[in-house]
Amino acid sequence: DIQMTQSPSSLSASVGDRVTITCQASQDISNYLNWYQQKPGKAPNLLIYDASNLVTGVPSRFSGSGSGTDFTFTISSLQPEDIATYYCQQYDNLPVTFGGGTKVEIK
Amino acid sequence: EVQLVESGGVVVQPGGSLRLSCAASGFTFDDYAMHWVRQPPGKGLEWVSLISWDGGSTYYGDSVKGRFTISRDNSKNSLYLQMNSLTTEDTAFYYCAKDGTAARSHFDYWGQGTLVTVSS
Repeated sequence: DIQMTQSPSSLSASVGDRVTITCQASQDISNYLNWYQQKPGKAPNLLIYDASNLVTGVPSRFSGSGSGTDFTFTISSLQPEDIATYYCQQYDNLPVTFGGGTKVEIK
Repeated sequence: EVQLVESGGVVVQPGGSLRLSCAASGFTFDDYAMHWVRQPPGKGLEWVSLISWDGGSTYYGDSVKGRFTISRDNSKNSLYLQMNSLTTEDTAFYYCAKDGTAARSHFDYWGQGTLVTVSS
């Protein structure tokens, strides 16, 4: 199975800060990497697919990059409504696997 | 508008069985693969199972293989998960999720989830 190592597991930042989350795959997954946002009590919501493609309607402050084994998810200017847990997910190989999640809080 | 509505989550005893359902609307159901994903309360996401657009191919995570069976009825726009030999480790919110393709890619829509509690 492909292991997805996401870091940090949690972070606290101020409104307006740039926030970066990393995800490392245990083997090359090309760009078969997606990012989801999950707010408390809600289902996950797709933000970025295929490493860098922003889902229609998602604010442009969210972005993703990377390929191979190393990926980055960025919020360019953190907003109060971005409080959530973020997950990376690979689909190159079955089983589909998720990172452990990054809980983002406001300082 | 795409909608996925899960049902069937209840409290069940260890060793018991349960069938979850997911009613889909707002898209052409038989054009897309479908997944089940679960999340123990307060924990992370775990992929459970995938079924191809026509039901001809199914795949499972190691923790449920041999105990769970995914199926779909395209005439009813419905997805199912038959869960047997349940253990306390299966306690989780179960989400159905639509794939972005007929095969395997991103999960572009999710249901609200249904809670399965395995407890004596």
